[in-house]
Amino acid sequence: GAGVSQSPRYKVTKRGQDVTLRCDPISSHATLYWYQQALGQGPEFLTYFNYEAQPDKSGLPSDRFSAERPEGSISTLTIQRTEQRDSAMYRCASSAGRLVRSETQYFGPGTRLLVL
Amino acid sequence: GQQLNQSPQSMFIQEGEDVSMNCTSSSIFNTWLWYKQDPGEGPVLLIALYKAGELTSNGRLTAQFGITRKDSFLNISASIPSDVGIYFCAVKIQGAQKLVFGQGTRLTINP
Repeated sequence: GAGVSQSPRYKVTKRGQDVTLRCDPISSHATLYWYQQALGQGPEFLTYFNYEAQPDKSGLPSDRFSAERPEGSISTLTIQRTEQRDSAMYRCASSAGRLVRSETQYFGPGTRLLVL
Repeated sequence: GQQLNQSPQSMFIQEGEDVSMNCTSSSIFNTWLWYKQDPGEGPVLLIALYKAGELTSNGRLTAQFGITRKDSFLNISASIPSDVGIYFCAVKIQGAQKLVFGQGTRLTINP
């Protein structure tokens, strides 16, 4: 696609429910990132994928958070047993994956999650 | 963990004024980035800096990578209404495929 897309754009859920967020990266991009952005803060790294491999998930806040990219393109971020503190904007970004310092990450519009 | 401190947190200026914001860290980083986030959109890369002391321009934007590799500043000259938004500095973590962001500077312009 022309840019990174995410769905849904907004999600309201009740505490304890599971939610799954989706990211469609730029079609030629090998690397995909997930960030969490609290209100009034910058994005914070959660995890990333090179194709379907997930080399770093050090930013995932707890084992309730998991991400997948089974075919190396679309990715999902799942939060199980949501808590109110999970409320945030979840942003996806992708890059070509050339592993050079000039590599640019392109961000999607985000999914705003509200846990009641 | 790594932390970037951006200042000011917010700015209210008149159209046509110049803007200056900066970003500091207690650690050394070799790649500094400036992003802009418009309402309802994701951050968009404005300028990337790779060499200590480097001064790079992109139209009315100028950014410098501090000689100590612990800071950077962004200047916007002759501000216009579309400059409104949140400006984030970010650094690339060496050996890791991730960015660390500052908390942002929110720019508001009075016409």
